[in-house]
Amino acid sequence: SQTIHQWPATLVQPVGSPLSLECTVEGTSNPNLYWYRQAAGRGLQLLFYSVGIGQISSEVPQNLSASRPQDRQFILSSKKLLLSDSGFYLCAWSPPSTTGNYGYTFGSGTRLTVV
Amino acid sequence: AQSVSQHNHHVILSEAASLELGCNYSYGGTVNLFWYVQYPGQHLQLLLKYFSGDPLVKGIKGFEAEFIKSKFSFNLRKPSVQWSDTAEYFCAVRGIYNNNDMRFGAGTRLTVKP
Repeated sequence: SQTIHQWPATLVQPVGSPLSLECTVEGTSNPNLYWYRQAAGRGLQLLFYSVGIGQISSEVPQNLSASRPQDRQFILSSKKLLLSDSGFYLCAWSPPSTTGNYGYTFGSGTRLTVV
Repeated sequence: AQSVSQHNHHVILSEAASLELGCNYSYGGTVNLFWYVQYPGQHLQLLLKYFSGDPLVKGIKGFEAEFIKSKFSFNLRKPSVQWSDTAEYFCAVRGIYNNNDMRFGAGTRLTVKP
């Protein structure tokens, strides 16, 4: 069966420090991968998605970037964190199709606090 | 781009009360619709989904939702809530030809008092 792993679960970082959050999926090939940010009272905001290695689409211009160095690995990064980057970051995957009756499967999330 | 509006930010009910959480969406095409639930300290989980066919869909744990196309709505219902239903509920919409653009509402926090 497919599983999705995210780490770390919680992270406290100072303003101006770099960030690297990792997400990996097991049990499937060529998944579509997603990074969402969940802010209190604002639901989930799609940040990036990827349909293949090295292919990244950005939904919202911001201080963050994403990379997909391997088929089942998706990384969220920042060179210099801002206070406004605090939030709950969720990785998700879906089967490799542009259409189809699929929902997303979410990871357990990373709670990032920038201080 | 599509958007989703959830009418209630926080709902408080007593056990055995009936539940209806509102969800309206904006999208100029055919959509897939979803409700996700996030129990305290747990992953976001799929509660139910609508793709086509019968507009009344049934999900896990006694939840159901009705797609009313003319109203652009997909309200979530449960006849009798339990304390264990305390969670945050998210409505989501995705155009059927774009698997990569699922949009979520702001969420509704449900508190069920025992």
